[in-house]
Amino acid sequence: QKEVEQDPGPLSVPEGAIVSLNCTYSNSAFQYFMWYRQYSRKGPELLMYTYSSGNKEDGRFTAQVDKSSKYISLFIRDSQPSDSATYLCAMSAQVNSGAGSYQLTFGKGTKLSVIP
Amino acid sequence: GAGVSQSPSNKVTEKGKDVELRCDPISGHTALYWYRQRLGQGLEFLIYFQGNSAPDKSGLPSDRFSAERTGESVSTLTIQRTQQEDSAVYLCASSPVVRAGNTIYFGEGSWLTVV
Repeated sequence: QKEVEQDPGPLSVPEGAIVSLNCTYSNSAFQYFMWYRQYSRKGPELLMYTYSSGNKEDGRFTAQVDKSSKYISLFIRDSQPSDSATYLCAMSAQVNSGAGSYQLTFGKGTKLSVIP
Repeated sequence: GAGVSQSPSNKVTEKGKDVELRCDPISGHTALYWYRQRLGQGLEFLIYFQGNSAPDKSGLPSDRFSAERTGESVSTLTIQRTQQEDSAVYLCASSPVVRAGNTIYFGEGSWLTVV
């Protein structure tokens, strides 16, 4: 079983729809959870960041983490054609205290198309 | 600069040749990462640098791959005797020293094609 599982899609929705993107993971030590958005032929850009369980909202985007189920979600409300991209979940087990960041484990990404 | 800068943005090379890919991290960021992304695949960790600590090379796929970083600045990823399976986008990322999380910021990538 891979550490992080993410349905690659593709996922196609009409403009204005609510989009739900999900990842499951197996490593119970993961504490930090991120969603990155990657447009075609561009580098990933950080979209949402959450620590441990709970919800976080930023505009049309909501990130949810359920550590008991090892399941994270990203919801996009009122989806727009500009949201068409690949969405990657990422997670990390720890911060190497005093020495900064450590490696993230990524899902394969879900390709989303929002049709006008 | 404002973001992570990578060069070249595109590289086509013949099988068996060596290539060098360069990364300029965000100023002040002490941590630097290299990831590889094959077509339709997720990001594969290659190597991690943090300040003057020994780099974490655990993700390098073979001894044809090596990377260097001078202090907290530029890093170079070198692939020797390139093979067709090395074709991918090589992404560099950097992050500051933080205690509450470890978000990283990516460059646009170097798109490598081995023919």
